[in-house]
Amino acid sequence: DIQMTQSPSSLSASVGDRVTITCRASETIDNFLNWYQHKPGKAPKLLIYVASNLQTGVPSRFSGSGSETDFTLTISSLQPEDFATYYCQQGYLTPLTFGGGTKVEIK
Amino acid sequence: QVQLQESGPGLVKPSQTLSLTCTVSGDSIGGNTYYWSWFRQPAGKALEWIGRIYGTGRTDYNPSLESRLTISLDTSKNQFSLSLSSVTAADTAVYYCAPSTGWYNWFDPWGQGTLVTVSS
Repeated sequence: DIQMTQSPSSLSASVGDRVTITCRASETIDNFLNWYQHKPGKAPKLLIYVASNLQTGVPSRFSGSGSETDFTLTISSLQPEDFATYYCQQGYLTPLTFGGGTKVEIK
Repeated sequence: QVQLQESGPGLVKPSQTLSLTCTVSGDSIGGNTYYWSWFRQPAGKALEWIGRIYGTGRTDYNPSLESRLTISLDTSKNQFSLSLSSVTAADTAVYYCAPSTGWYNWFDPWGQGTLVTVSS
């Protein structure tokens, strides 16, 4: 299985901060990398697909980059509604696998 | 816009079979457009992909669950289902369903999820 490692596992940030989350794959996955936002009791929400494509309706403060094994999700200016857990997911090979998550908390 | 809703018993006894249904609205589950997947998330842990079924009935399963798992389609009801046998407390989780299309296997939208507890 392809292992997805996210860092950090949690972070504290203030409204307006720039936040960067990294995701590393245990082997190359080209650009088959997707990002999700998950809030407690809610359905996970697709933010970024194919490494850098912003899903329709997602604010432009979210962006993704990377290829092969190393990927980044950036929130350019953190907003109150962005406090959540973020997951990366590789779509390159089955079994499809997720990172362990990064919980973004209020400082 | 596709919408999904998971349903099923919230409590299952150890060694029994967990059965869940995902009801799809807004599009047909048959045909060649979507893969329909199941996921789960134990409390405090990450998301896990369980497996998927194509509109034609072809399936892919997570090897970690394959020996206990069946995913099936009911096109007459526009539903797909999950059956997981011989459950233990480790199968306690929130279970989600979601579709994917194309080669890159992104999932959107997701159902709200349903909590299944395995306990006697």
